[in-house]
Amino acid sequence: AQKITQTQPGMFVQEKEAVTLDCTYDTSDQSYGLFWYKQPSSGEMIFLIYQGSYDEQNATEGRYSLNFQKARKSANLVISASQLGDSAMYFCAEPVGGSARQLTFGSGTQLTVLP
Amino acid sequence: DAGVIQSPRHEVTEMGQEVTLRCKPISGHNSLFWYRQTMMRGLELLIYFNNNVPIDDSGMPEDRFSAKMPNASFSTLKIQPSEPRDSAVYFCASRAGPRQQFFGPGTRLTVL
Repeated sequence: AQKITQTQPGMFVQEKEAVTLDCTYDTSDQSYGLFWYKQPSSGEMIFLIYQGSYDEQNATEGRYSLNFQKARKSANLVISASQLGDSAMYFCAEPVGGSARQLTFGSGTQLTVLP
Repeated sequence: DAGVIQSPRHEVTEMGQEVTLRCKPISGHNSLFWYRQTMMRGLELLIYFNNNVPIDDSGMPEDRFSAKMPNASFSTLKIQPSEPRDSAVYFCASRAGPRQQFFGPGTRLTVL
């Protein structure tokens, strides 16, 4: 079964600095994808970025980018120029079976951006 | 696009009562998912529909839970009878392709 591991329960970063949130996975599928979501204190789940295993380049979406290393089975989220509004819980997720169906989630990382 | 719509946003009920949560997926999305989030178990899938057909309900905790999708624009998750341990945030999500899955705002359920 797929397993997503987020080893950082909490992270702090100074405003305007970059931060990397770790995520490792253990799928044996050849084709798979990784999602990152942001959950602020208000509770909604906000889709941030997606990386496919066969994508030629690391995914980027504005200030969000993925440091995708297939050999290490890691898909770390990099947030550049952190803002106070980035303070939230961040979840890494992988589709079950590699077929982009239901997601299995990591335990999340609580990011706090300091002024 | 209005995104995934869920109602109610908050529900407080007493043990034993029936609870119905509603979801309207994004127009054109052919897959719909119901998830539950608790402090103890994190985010877990309850049931997944594809083209209105339930594909995987192995995450439904017990017979008290049921879900329907009568058409492409509406789904319900029903708990009958509800119990305090059902208290959680219930999310509905939809997608049109493998590179996306968009969540609704969630329903925060409290069973007293």
